[in-house]
Amino acid sequence: EPEVTQTPSHQVTQMGQEVILRCVPISNHLYFYWYRQILGQKVEFLVSFYNNEISEKSEIFDDQFSVERPDGSNFTLKIRSTKLEDSAMYFCASSVGQGGNQPQHFGDGTRLSIL
Amino acid sequence: AQSVSQHNHHVILSEAASLELGCNYSYGGTVNLFWYVQYPGQHLQLLLKYFSGDPLVKGIKGFEAEFIKSKFSFNLRKPSVQWSDTAEYFCAVKWGAAGNKLTFGGGTRVLVKP
Repeated sequence: EPEVTQTPSHQVTQMGQEVILRCVPISNHLYFYWYRQILGQKVEFLVSFYNNEISEKSEIFDDQFSVERPDGSNFTLKIRSTKLEDSAMYFCASSVGQGGNQPQHFGDGTRLSIL
Repeated sequence: AQSVSQHNHHVILSEAASLELGCNYSYGGTVNLFWYVQYPGQHLQLLLKYFSGDPLVKGIKGFEAEFIKSKFSFNLRKPSVQWSDTAEYFCAVKWGAAGNKLTFGGGTRVLVKP
């Protein structure tokens, strides 16, 4: 069964540094998402992306965050200047189509630790 | 605000026991409902989903869930659990027919003792 893959599995970064989290969505999927889960808290939506544009973003997704699909396979989340509170598990997801009845398929996540 | 609540944070039960996990969401309108499972060290996997029609939906691994619109609930059930059902279970909701954003509950950790 095709899977969403994320790299790295664990990223440790100094506060203030830039970090890029990478995702390879399922190949025939067109909609891409990032979620995060701070330890002990709920999984939270960050952003959705379609046709090389952000289609929706949450209030968490401020100017420090950006997403990109640099080629035909990768989907990246960049945090420009990391803060301690960015430490979390970041999940990438993808779906074939949009709309309420389209299930999203998740990757294993990247654990981001900010020192 | 849109929110999803799962009543139990931790559930411990023995093999062959029945399992029911509660999920409530904040308000109505068109909703699309999901249960995901995360086995230790693995990614979130879709267990089942509800969009419309029969409010009792069946998913993988013997799980089912019932949508009760009047109660804003979507509870997950399994009549007889196995040790391999040890995992964390997440309820998630999308509001609106065109909604893309999943709103998750806090998750319930289920430990099945052999």
